[in-house]
Amino acid sequence: GENVEQHPSTLSVQEGDSAVIKCTYSDSASNYFPWYKQELGKRPQLIIDIRSNVGEKKDQRIAVTLNKTAKHFSLHITETQPEDSAVYFCAASRGGLTGGGNKLTFGTGTQLKVEL
Amino acid sequence: NAGVTQTPKFQVLKTGQSMTLQCAQDMNHNSMYWYRQDPGMGLRLIYYSASEGTTDKGEVPNGYNVSRLNKREFSLRLESAAPSQTSVYFCASSTSRGETQYFGPGTRLLVL
Repeated sequence: GENVEQHPSTLSVQEGDSAVIKCTYSDSASNYFPWYKQELGKRPQLIIDIRSNVGEKKDQRIAVTLNKTAKHFSLHITETQPEDSAVYFCAASRGGLTGGGNKLTFGTGTQLKVEL
Repeated sequence: NAGVTQTPKFQVLKTGQSMTLQCAQDMNHNSMYWYRQDPGMGLRLIYYSASEGTTDKGEVPNGYNVSRLNKREFSLRLESAAPSQTSVYFCASSTSRGETQYFGPGTRLLVL
């Protein structure tokens, strides 16, 4: 099955700096890569995703890049703010196109702390 | 819309007791999922239901059973709880295409 590794496990940055979180996956058939943000005591929420036919996707201060050859993808947050402090999870899956739901395999998470 | 709801929010069980975690969604989604979240291990899929009437095992199904009661509801049952099942359980739902999974607020379970 799929295996997703995520690094670093903790990341501390100064407000206004950039943060980068990296993930690698093992299944070359994976084609969908979402990122979830989870604030303390809350539910995970999707913040951005990318499909394997796209190399980069941006949404305001957040961007995701994908390197299919190397089987890794990264989350980039620019101009970090205190409200960006949370745990971030990457995930990978094959599904989403066949009507059979989407079995996600998650990374182990990155605790991001944005310091004033 | 309430989105995805879960009951109970918190539960304490003794080893060997049974219980059912309830999940419901009002987004007319076909697919539903149960995950457990443990410190340092991310979210792991227990069972999922691609559509009403179907269920399938995920990564960590041992010790659990599920029922897709109808399109809205997907329950998770622990027949004989063990301390290793102490965790936070999240239910999620998505369209059949499954691109975005919407999570419920979670159930915190402590097995003594």
